Amino acid sequence: GAVVSQHPSRVICKSGTSVKIECRSLDFQATTMFWYRQFPKKSLMLMATSNEGSKATYEQGVEKDKFLINHASLTLSTLTVTSAHPEDSSFYICSASLTGGRTEAFFGQGTRLTVV
Amino acid sequence: SQKIEQNSEALNIQEGKTATLTCNYTNYSPAYLQWYRQDPGRGPVFLLLIRENEKEKRKERLKVTFDTTLKQSLFHITASQPADSATYLCALPLSGGYQKVTFGTGTKLQVIP
Repeated sequence: GAVVSQHPSRVICKSGTSVKIECRSLDFQATTMFWYRQFPKKSLMLMATSNEGSKATYEQGVEKDKFLINHASLTLSTLTVTSAHPEDSSFYICSASLTGGRTEAFFGQGTRLTVV
Repeated sequence: SQKIEQNSEALNIQEGKTATLTCNYTNYSPAYLQWYRQDPGRGPVFLLLIRENEKEKRKERLKVTFDTTLKQSLFHITASQPADSATYLCALPLSGGYQKVTFGTGTKLQVIP
């Protein structure tokens, strides 16, 4: 149980285009999901908290107009990188946790975004 | 500001030995601490959680300690195997959000046959 699926696993896009990444909780409902970004040989950097039915909460320094988050259902959150540039190339990972006081996070497989 | 440090970027150890990884934090009083494993190109996988009122937690060959006075957690893998080679991350809860955590820099463990 507690499987989080992320799609796509890899994507290459041209500068200036937008890319959508999906994060699904397959066997549980997640009112909250988290989006992280990871640079090579670096740790995960929390970008934002995705809240079902309401606006996402962004961490300091993360451009909300560039990284659009939508959490339209209890099992799906999407991250759209708008007007992508090469510096947006990175590994993006989502996570979700079970309810009922549980705190361990279940992560998706990650999405490797390359902007050319 | 809050800071988490895993003081070894990389650790090489001989198969069969015990690997010990360290997580230190400052300006923090976390209610719990977590350890995750991350393989290259994959998302982290949860391993263990230890609460502030617990000194030690075990799971199979894994052992975690939590010293709130030293502000330090130690993560041990006994009888290490090449399959244990991965990056290990500690994580602590952030204020401002239920289940919201921040991660340490990670330690890349290499178990040599």
